[in-house]
Amino acid sequence: TQLLEQSPQFLSIQEGENLTVYCNSSSVFSSLQWYRQEPGEGPVLLVTVVTGGEVKKLKRLTFQFGDARKDSSLHITAAQPGDTGLYLCAGTLDDKIIFGKGTRLHILP
Amino acid sequence: DAGVIQSPRHEVTEMGQEVTLRCKPISGHNSLFWYRQTMMRGLELLIYFNNNVPIDDSGMPEDRFSAKMPNASFSTLKIQPSEPRDSAVYFCASSVGRWSPGELFFGEGSRLTVL
Repeated sequence: TQLLEQSPQFLSIQEGENLTVYCNSSSVFSSLQWYRQEPGEGPVLLVTVVTGGEVKKLKRLTFQFGDARKDSSLHITAAQPGDTGLYLCAGTLDDKIIFGKGTRLHILP
Repeated sequence: DAGVIQSPRHEVTEMGQEVTLRCKPISGHNSLFWYRQTMMRGLELLIYFNNNVPIDDSGMPEDRFSAKMPNASFSTLKIQPSEPRDSAVYFCASSVGRWSPGELFFGEGSRLTVL
């Protein structure tokens, strides 16, 4: 059973479009992180959210933590080819950091 | 600043052989994690250490897997004997401390292929 479910698994859209990807769980997390991973490399941290309802912005990326701290979303505005990659959410649960399987995003020029 | 350093980057071996993967965490980081990544299962936590002490190894698949952290700057993950189903990318990650979890710094991974 996957503790963190990410959707969609794959997404391919045109440059300039907006998109939202989701990370859902039935568990409550003390914090949640989003990472991006490119081929042949390790994941790189984008953001950490801690408080229920928290919203953080990183340029064209907006991250939201659910009020109950069980879910999160990542919204990208005006996607660019450089946004292509595997987006992973991770939750902190009892000192362990658990990852979802990720959303593989491909932005077409 | 040097990041997390893993070796080897690629390893191809035959079933039954011993495999040792190595990791040097970022200096000053107190927690070290070993993950395994496959297409089917994603990133799975195998084991993590805090101040060189193994805290949770419940993710280690079976007795063929073992991990050590003899000092703050070095860890190994050993598979003996290796099997084809162990083929995956193995990542080491470190973080500042147990009380700032989630902010992991990953190495570039060791891609293991067991024939």
